[in-house]
Amino acid sequence: GAVVSQHPSRVICKSGTSVKIECRSLDFQATTMFWYRQFPKQSLMLMATSNEGSKATYEQGVEKDKFLINHASLTLSTLTVTSAHPEDSSFYICSAHDPAQSNTEAFFGQGTRLTVV
Amino acid sequence: RKEVEQDPGPFNVPEGATVAFNCTYSNSASQSFFWYRQDCRKEPKLLMSVYSSGNEDGRFTAQLNRASQYISLLIRDSKLSDSATYLCVLGEGYKLSFGAGTTVTVRA
Repeated sequence: GAVVSQHPSRVICKSGTSVKIECRSLDFQATTMFWYRQFPKQSLMLMATSNEGSKATYEQGVEKDKFLINHASLTLSTLTVTSAHPEDSSFYICSAHDPAQSNTEAFFGQGTRLTVV
Repeated sequence: RKEVEQDPGPFNVPEGATVAFNCTYSNSASQSFFWYRQDCRKEPKLLMSVYSSGNEDGRFTAQLNRASQYISLLIRDSKLSDSATYLCVLGEGYKLSFGAGTTVTVRA
């Protein structure tokens, strides 16, 4: 299947700093990528849809100025958590679909575990 | 009401047992249905798609009941390696909605 690579896998940062997470589709081009957040024992919650060459679409309740998304190429989307606080500590995960495949299977990155101290 | 509801479990079963659990959903516009598996602190991985006619993949059988809006997963002859959290996932185009997962623990 298609491969999505996410980096870093884990990061610890100080409160008030910003953290950038990268999501790359390695063997296909993805015009759309998705960013999710998962708190312990909860479901993955869609944060935003990243669109190549245009602005991201944010879900209700997600601050676009805090979670900056850039999708500058067909293989790379980045999520920057700005001025991180301890409540932003979570598991962030991206996904993409391969438009060359007829099914709607989502391919996930490995996830980024963010801890804000 | 959550869009996707799952019994969180955990289901603790011995090796070789059969375990089954359901998921209910509220969005009748859902077009595609999946079971994903998520191991602790890892990304979800597709276990199987679910079709209205029901489908089987080895020891795993999935059923979809659109009228009652539920999906089921049955695991036969459980293996230790089946221990994981199973996520019920609905799709509307590329947009996915996830259940919180059902945890299964298979013991020796």
